[in-house]
Amino acid sequence: ETGVTQSPTHLIKTRGQQVTLRCSSQSGHNTVSWYQQALGQGPQFIFQYYREEENGRGNFPPRFSGLQFPNYSSELNVNALELDDSALYLCASSVQGGNSPLHFGNGTRLTVT
Amino acid sequence: SQQGEEDPQALSIQEGENATMNCSYKTSINNLQWYRQNSGRGLVHLILIRSNEREKHSGRLRVTLDTSKKSSSLLITASRAADTASYFCATDPYNAGNMLTFGGGTRLMVKP
Repeated sequence: ETGVTQSPTHLIKTRGQQVTLRCSSQSGHNTVSWYQQALGQGPQFIFQYYREEENGRGNFPPRFSGLQFPNYSSELNVNALELDDSALYLCASSVQGGNSPLHFGNGTRLTVT
Repeated sequence: SQQGEEDPQALSIQEGENATMNCSYKTSINNLQWYRQNSGRGLVHLILIRSNEREKHSGRLRVTLDTSKKSSSLLITASRAADTASYFCATDPYNAGNMLTFGGGTRLMVKP
């Protein structure tokens, strides 16, 4: 069973730039969620994708966008980067349904300077 | 914003002792989940307790849920140095399919 993989592991960008983070879901999982985790805090829900459509979104501005592909892999795109976007970005896959636990990747550490 | 709040924020114990972490939440829930995170890595699911359950066990873990008080506790018995990690509770306040809201976490250090 292949787990959730994320790339890259680390990334440094300049304020105003754009970034794309990638995630491969665990096999058999049809739902992918993205979370932002600032240093010393709990993860915050960005959005969730199911059947290639966004089906839920947290309190994040439109410059955070995503895609889910037919093979259930996913991308997170962030435009016009701000210093406060510096965080660990976590991807999690699951089977659609309220009692299905999330399986997380090890995250991408994004630093915005 | 955080739905849940863990207490304490940090806990330091000796190997072999028990560790108890508490979580409070604000809205009605379908289930409550606990996750563990080793430094700088992804979260690992530990246990899920449904709203109609009061207690659940998994190995050295014991979770309780009190929906009237909107609170949960995680007990780790006979702790080991390898249990050193951050522990988070998470709820799905919208009952919308695992769009989880996490608390701020309890940082547990187990000294050998």
